[in-house]
Amino acid sequence: DIQMTQSPSSLSASLGDRVTITCRASQTVNSYLNWYQQKPGKAPKLLIYAASSLHIGVPSRFSGSGFGTEFTLTISSLQPEDSASYFCQQSYSFPYSFGQGTKLEIK
Amino acid sequence: QVQLGQSGAEVKKPGASVKVSCKASGYTFTSYDINWVRQAAGQGLEWMGWVNPKNGNAGYGQKFQGRVTMTTNTSITTVYMELSSLRIEDTAVYYCARGLRGDVWGQGTTVTVSS
Repeated sequence: DIQMTQSPSSLSASLGDRVTITCRASQTVNSYLNWYQQKPGKAPKLLIYAASSLHIGVPSRFSGSGFGTEFTLTISSLQPEDSASYFCQQSYSFPYSFGQGTKLEIK
Repeated sequence: QVQLGQSGAEVKKPGASVKVSCKASGYTFTSYDINWVRQAAGQGLEWMGWVNPKNGNAGYGQKFQGRVTMTTNTSITTVYMELSSLRIEDTAVYYCARGLRGDVWGQGTTVTVSS
């Protein structure tokens, strides 16, 4: 099974900051990497698919990059509504494993 | 619009089974696999398995093999996830999600296992 490791597990940042979350796979997932945002009590929402493609309706301050085993999610200028948990997921091979999540707090 | 609508909350005793439904609307039902994901309170997301609505093929995570069954009913564009031999630790919110990207999610179904 492919293990997905996110870092950091939590972070606190100020409005307008640039924020980066990293996801590492234990073996290659090519570009089959999704990023989700989840707010308390709600279902996850897709932000980025195929490592770097922005899902429709997602603000352009979100971006993704990477290939193979190393991936990043970047928020270019943090907004109040970005306070949430973020998860990566590989959809390269079964089981489609998730990272453990990153909780982002606004200072 | 494209939606996945899930059945309501369930309370079950240990050893029982639960069957959660996920009704698709607004798109061609047979064009996308459906994945099932669960989340225990305060925890991360756990992928359980997938089902292909076109042919009924399904695959399950090893942790759930032998306890989970995912099925489809194309006439009512609904997929089902049945989990048997429930344990306290199966208490979680269960989600269905569309396709490789997970671009559409159901609202979640809370399953509580308690004696």
